[in-house]
Amino acid sequence: EAGVTQFPSHSVIEKGQTVTLRCDPISGHDNLYWYRRVMGKEIKFLLHFVKESKQDESGMPNNRFLAERTGGTYSTLKVQPAELEDSGVYFCASSQNWGYGYTFGSGTRLTVV
Amino acid sequence: EDQVTQSPEALRLQEGESSSLNCSYTVSGLRGLFWYRQDPGKGPEFLFTLYSAGEEKEKERLKATLTKKESFLHITAPKPEDSATYLCAVYHAGGTSYGKLTFGQGTILTVHP
Repeated sequence: EAGVTQFPSHSVIEKGQTVTLRCDPISGHDNLYWYRRVMGKEIKFLLHFVKESKQDESGMPNNRFLAERTGGTYSTLKVQPAELEDSGVYFCASSQNWGYGYTFGSGTRLTVV
Repeated sequence: EDQVTQSPEALRLQEGESSSLNCSYTVSGLRGLFWYRQDPGKGPEFLFTLYSAGEEKEKERLKATLTKKESFLHITAPKPEDSATYLCAVYHAGGTSYGKLTFGQGTILTVHP
């Protein structure tokens, strides 16, 4: 079974630019989550999709972040315009049923300079 | 607000020296507690889910236990390959927020040969 795939693995952009992160969940997993870890802090929840619908986006920092999930398959997280404080590692996770061990991707390390 | 605190922040052991990691939590409506292992440059890897006080789970040299206020991850006779960051997370369900994980900052475990 293929795992959760994220790309790019690394991205370095300048402040004010736009970046789009992509996550391909495990096939058949209806639940998809985005998390973020900024340096020195714990991993924090951003949002949760059930199929193509946003179930909970309470963790999204502000309106510069836009997440979509096309047809309930892959998801993208766009940051526009990027700020220095957006630097961190962005993780995607998926699960068939909530409450079980979510499978995480390897993350995208975003550096805004 | 839900809080998860892990201790110690870092732990250095000699191979074969058993020890425990602690995860204390304050959360309303706890539905489960997860333990993950994270290696550098990778995403969290699922280890255990515990659902109720008194529950225990084991996997190789690891054993996780849960009380009403904390969880312990016991490592028996560790090997260098057990070196990693160990993450604790709680999940809760209620309203529109289900399946969301709240993480601790992690314990960095280093096992020396």
